Amino acid sequence: NAGVTQTPKFRVLKTGQSMTLLCAQDMNHEYMYWYRQDPGMGLRLIHYSVGEGTTAKGEVPDGYNVSRLKKQNFLLGLESAAPSQTSVYFCASSRDPSNQPQHFGDGTRLSIL
Amino acid sequence: GDSVTQMEGPVTLSEEAFLTINCTYTATGYPSLFWYVQYPGEGLQLLLKATKADDKGSNKGFEATYRKETTSFHLEKGSVQVSDSAVYFCALAGTYKYIFGTGTRLKVLA
Repeated sequence: NAGVTQTPKFRVLKTGQSMTLLCAQDMNHEYMYWYRQDPGMGLRLIHYSVGEGTTAKGEVPDGYNVSRLKKQNFLLGLESAAPSQTSVYFCASSRDPSNQPQHFGDGTRLSIL
Repeated sequence: GDSVTQMEGPVTLSEEAFLTINCTYTATGYPSLFWYVQYPGEGLQLLLKATKADDKGSNKGFEATYRKETTSFHLEKGSVQVSDSAVYFCALAGTYKYIFGTGTRLKVLA
């Protein structure tokens, strides 16, 4: 009963390094989302996808790229990490955002030095 | 655009006290509404939902009623426990995405 799985759970990067966060869901959901959560800021949407092969910008897309090559996976990339990207990143998926809830992963804690 | 406003926290209560966390929304039409809970170090979990006006969502002693007249979805619990200490998020469902409030931290003291 995995649901939404995020890897890695923790990571420390140096400024300028690149990395990819992986999100996998086993519920056959069409919609997937990447958020970042910062103290006092709530959740902010980075990018989302409405189906395999699609991506769209959210509220704070700058500095991030995403890909949805397979329905079950949604990848978030940082090409050149900056200290401002230190955050907790959450992935979520949904069957139908008009009336169904999202299912969240446990998060990736990312620190950029 | 659509928006969700939650009461500022933190909220500190004694065990067995009554809890209300206010949530109001602005939206076109009548979106589905949700409350999520986030425990320390974890992701958000769905607590309850309501999909149409006058619906009452309930779970684990928590309740919220979808009030279209006041565009509100306030979270209530009659008797909180220490284990309810967490951050609570109100959210509404949009066309392709969800709109979240900023979260309300609840601390329950024994």
